[in-house]
Amino acid sequence: DAKTTQPPSMDCAEGRAANLPCNHSTISGNEYVYWYRQIHSQGPQYIIHGLKNNETNEMASLIITEDRKSSTLILPHATLRDTAVYYCIVRVKNAGGTSYGKLTFGQGTILTVHP
Amino acid sequence: DGGITQSPKYLFRKEGQNVTLSCEQNLNHDAMYWYRQDPGQGLRLIYYSQIVNDFQKGDIAEGYSVSREKKESFPLTVTSAQKNPTAFYLCASNDPFAGEEYGYTFGSGTRLTVV
Repeated sequence: DAKTTQPPSMDCAEGRAANLPCNHSTISGNEYVYWYRQIHSQGPQYIIHGLKNNETNEMASLIITEDRKSSTLILPHATLRDTAVYYCIVRVKNAGGTSYGKLTFGQGTILTVHP
Repeated sequence: DGGITQSPKYLFRKEGQNVTLSCEQNLNHDAMYWYRQDPGQGLRLIYYSQIVNDFQKGDIAEGYSVSREKKESFPLTVTSAQKNPTAFYLCASNDPFAGEEYGYTFGSGTRLTVV
């Protein structure tokens, strides 16, 4: 699985958009980009994933560059409860569309949302 | 509600003792995983199981053992051979045939401390 690089920490004002970058310059054509977040002392929570198109769900938006070497997770209106560690992960989706296998977590980005 | 239950939440172990961490899921997921997290670090995979009665070593399996006798249960034993067992342990599961938006479900973790 491709390695990802994220800034160790970021700050964001409550109500503003939080834009979390991720570099994955060695990503392969069949690797997906996933984002998870971990609130202190809890298990990680799935946020969003994508292959090459931009994606949006009720939690966030994912913008993937055309060359797929980087992506940005956008929390459109950050709240204090969004304070967490955010992990960007790239992984191959197995043959047949199944999803066995590990998620490789880096150190992530500590996002602090302040009033 | 469906989910993953890890118990106990906090566990203290004396040096030289084996200890077993419980992980139970009622999501009907085929695949289950054990991760270890040290302070300020990402998650590292210990063991995973794709199906009952089968499991595979992850990146840091030494000093750990698992069993998968039932689909819903995947206990982890931390043996005395694990030299530095103090950590936060997370159990996860997923349905490999479900859409990626369902992601991996994590438990709330067990914090193990060697005293």
